[in-house]
Amino acid sequence: DIQMTQSPSSLSASVGDRVTITCRASQTINSYLNWYQQKPGKAPNLLISAASNLQGGVPSRFSGFGSGSDFTLTISSLQPEDFATYYCQQSYSIPRTFGQGTKVEIK
Amino acid sequence: QVQLQQSGPGLVKPSQTLSLTCAISGDSVSNKNGAWNWIRQSPSRGLEWLGRTYYRSKWYNDYAVSVKSRLSINPDTSKNQISLQLNSVTPEDTAVYFCARSIVGATHSFDYWGQGTLVTVSS
Repeated sequence: DIQMTQSPSSLSASVGDRVTITCRASQTINSYLNWYQQKPGKAPNLLISAASNLQGGVPSRFSGFGSGSDFTLTISSLQPEDFATYYCQQSYSIPRTFGQGTKVEIK
Repeated sequence: QVQLQQSGPGLVKPSQTLSLTCAISGDSVSNKNGAWNWIRQSPSRGLEWLGRTYYRSKWYNDYAVSVKSRLSINPDTSKNQISLQLNSVTPEDTAVYFCARSIVGATHSFDYWGQGTLVTVSS
């Protein structure tokens, strides 16, 4: 199975801050990397597919970068509605696997 | 707009079978570019993909090794839904269960999710 490792596990930031979350795969996954946002009591919501493709309706302050085994999710200017937990997930091979999550909290 | 509506019991006794359904609207369970997945989430395991069913001129399934011997995911074309059956459950199967669609064109990302069902395994 491909292991997905996110860092940090949690972070505290202020509104307006630039935030970057890192995801590393245990082997190359080309660009088969997706990012989700999850708020308490809700299902994860797809933000970015194929490492950098922003989904419709997702604000442009979100961006994704990377290929191979190293990826980043960046929020250019953190907004109050962005406080949530973020997950990366590989869709390169079966079984699909997720990172452990990064909780973004208010400083 | 694709919508996935989950249903099923929230409490299952140990050693019994956990059964959930996921009704699909806005898409077809037989979509040859799609797959229909079950994913669960617990504090101890995080987000865990369990398996999927998909149609490519015939039906296929893939299952996670951890549950393969106990899990069955089946399509129901007459009702346009999928089901999950997990046998011989233990308290470790306590989790929120989600169904989700993945599409080839979106590099197999999970683009639509059900609302989630909290399933507790307890006597």
